[in-house]
Amino acid sequence: DVKVTQSSRYLVKRTGEKVFLECVQDMDHENMFWYRQDPGLGLRLIYFSYDVKMKEKGDIPEGYSVSREKKERFSLILESASTNQTSMYLCASSIQPNTEAFFGQGTRLTVV
Amino acid sequence: GQNIDQPTEMTATEGAIVQINCTYQTSGFNGLFWYQQHAGEAPTFLSYNVLDGLEEKGRFSSFLSRSKGYSYLLLKELQMKDSASYLCAVRDTDNYGQNFVFGPGTRLSVLP
Repeated sequence: DVKVTQSSRYLVKRTGEKVFLECVQDMDHENMFWYRQDPGLGLRLIYFSYDVKMKEKGDIPEGYSVSREKKERFSLILESASTNQTSMYLCASSIQPNTEAFFGQGTRLTVV
Repeated sequence: GQNIDQPTEMTATEGAIVQINCTYQTSGFNGLFWYQQHAGEAPTFLSYNVLDGLEEKGRFSSFLSRSKGYSYLLLKELQMKDSASYLCAVRDTDNYGQNFVFGPGTRLSVLP
């Protein structure tokens, strides 16, 4: 079974802190994604990566950056956390087009 | 632009049949996916359609009409555990055909 693991299930950070959300997948998938999920808005794509050291902006990249130094790991970075970044963050991975995405369990981030 | 629409909420009775509709307008099309998401958990894959027609998988079926930009998920013999959000997602052809665009999700409540 594919496993996508996010480093934290719940996280509370202060405004202005630098925050790292880590995601690891164990099935050698090329593609990895970071979404945030908010009530009424669904999943919105922040960034994705289709190869090591490659990254592409999604629909809402402002205030975020990413890092993909190794194929299995995709990190989301909040350079200076703000309260409007309080959300559920979901990492996903997939192989090729026409195959489904597998999701991690999610990180519920609260910025106070 | 990209837009995916689903009803926000639906209610049905245990043992009944329910149809959840999804309409989409995306810049390209590389397949349509349905995911199930229980409260507080990660989305899990249910079905995939890339050609017109019906795909059946046990109690769940999914239909696609590409010319109409329309899909539905049919759930038969509803059980209480089917209470969840159902997410429609389209894989578009932008960004190397890797990107998933998600609808807002339909929250289904199954009543005894």
